[in-house]
Amino acid sequence: DAGVIQSPRHEVTEMGQEVTLRCKPISGHDYLFWYRQTMMRGLELLIYFNNNVPIDDSGMPEDRFSAKMPNASFSTLKIQPSEPRDSAVYFCASTIRDPTTDTQYFGPGTRLTVL
Amino acid sequence: GDSVTQMEGPVTLSEEAFLTINCTYTATGYPSLFWYVQYPGEGLQLLLKATKADDKGSNKGFEATYRKETTSFHLEKGSVQVSDSAVYFCALSDETGGYNKLIFGAGTRLAVHP
Repeated sequence: DAGVIQSPRHEVTEMGQEVTLRCKPISGHDYLFWYRQTMMRGLELLIYFNNNVPIDDSGMPEDRFSAKMPNASFSTLKIQPSEPRDSAVYFCASTIRDPTTDTQYFGPGTRLTVL
Repeated sequence: GDSVTQMEGPVTLSEEAFLTINCTYTATGYPSLFWYVQYPGEGLQLLLKATKADDKGSNKGFEATYRKETTSFHLEKGSVQVSDSAVYFCALSDETGGYNKLIFGAGTRLAVHP
């Protein structure tokens, strides 16, 4: 199994530009999570989906952030417009059935730098 | 709400030393508890887990016991290796609102020297 795939691995952009991060979960998994990791705030859950439906987006920092999951094998996290404070590592993770007791499998992350 | 508190790092040890990383939690229900590890440049991966009180999770020489009475889930290893250098995250499952998600601690960086 290829695991959770994220692209790009690194993204450098200028303030005000649109940024799109992509994630392909493990086949058969029905939960997908987007996290953000920074030195200051640690690991934060931004949003998660179950069967392609957003369940909880309370962690999305503001309206500049949006996430979609058009099908079971693809999700995007978009930032428009981007700001320097959005610089972080963004992780996607997936799991199956009950996420209370099942493992979340993380992708390698996308390191975003907004200049 | 539910929360996880870990000891601050970095923790610096010599190879073959004994490791303890403390983790305590606050939860209204009966969460499952997890330790995840993040190696440099990689995503998090599950190290071990325990789903109920008194359960012991173990993997790769690491152990942690779910202690409900002290609300703790301390990570231990008897003899660390240089390859164990990483950031370790304690986490619990949060069932607030009728759905489940993981709440992570701040992470503890471990550096093991030869």
